Amino acid sequence: GQSLEQPSEVTAVEGAIVQINCTYQTSGFYGLSWYQQHDGGAPTFLSYNALDGLEETGRFSSFLSRSDSYGYLLLQELQMKDSASYFCARLYSGAGSYQLTFGKGTKLSVIP
Amino acid sequence: GAVVSQHPSRVICKSGTSVKIECRSLDFQATTMFWYRQFPKQSLMLMATSNEGSKATYEQGVEKDKFLINHASLTLSTLTVTSAHPEDSSFYICSASRGQNNEKLFFGSGTQLSVL
Repeated sequence: GQSLEQPSEVTAVEGAIVQINCTYQTSGFYGLSWYQQHDGGAPTFLSYNALDGLEETGRFSSFLSRSDSYGYLLLQELQMKDSASYFCARLYSGAGSYQLTFGKGTKLSVIP
Repeated sequence: GAVVSQHPSRVICKSGTSVKIECRSLDFQATTMFWYRQFPKQSLMLMATSNEGSKATYEQGVEKDKFLINHASLTLSTLTVTSAHPEDSSFYICSASRGQNNEKLFFGSGTQLSVL
């Protein structure tokens, strides 16, 4: 997790919008993925950005700026079930294949 | 979406014993699988990349003789924790990719290992 930085915790109100930022190390960088993990569960894929710009998937959107080594995950119309940890993950070329290294995660708490 | 099955989900063992964890891709063939380790409230740490038909590639600091990985078929990879000790207690998660560039991983449900 040393090659990515993201906030450790975020709290937001149900129905609101929240943005989770992520900065990353550029060495070997190929793209940025986002994963959601509920307590005790397995991570699930949310989105992936290889090019600059915004990718939208329903209530979730992800943005990438390669020149700024920065990306974010945007969650709209927050629901209680969105309370989980969110990980940005850097895709890089290593060991003969592409690999993902994960940030430390952002714990999102959605409150009524 | 693709399904990756991992078992056992939880195992408790005595110090010194070996534990085998299986990871299967149920509806697709996975040339490459990844094994991660996660401590409570921490990130996922890549342990090794498992390639079908060849030796696994281990990350720096991961002991290959302690964490044996076998990827004998396109749908099965196994991780064996040999001579487990309490410090090996952790959440182990496998993942597999359907894409060429591994940007989208499908994770197993994880195995919580507790070594007494």
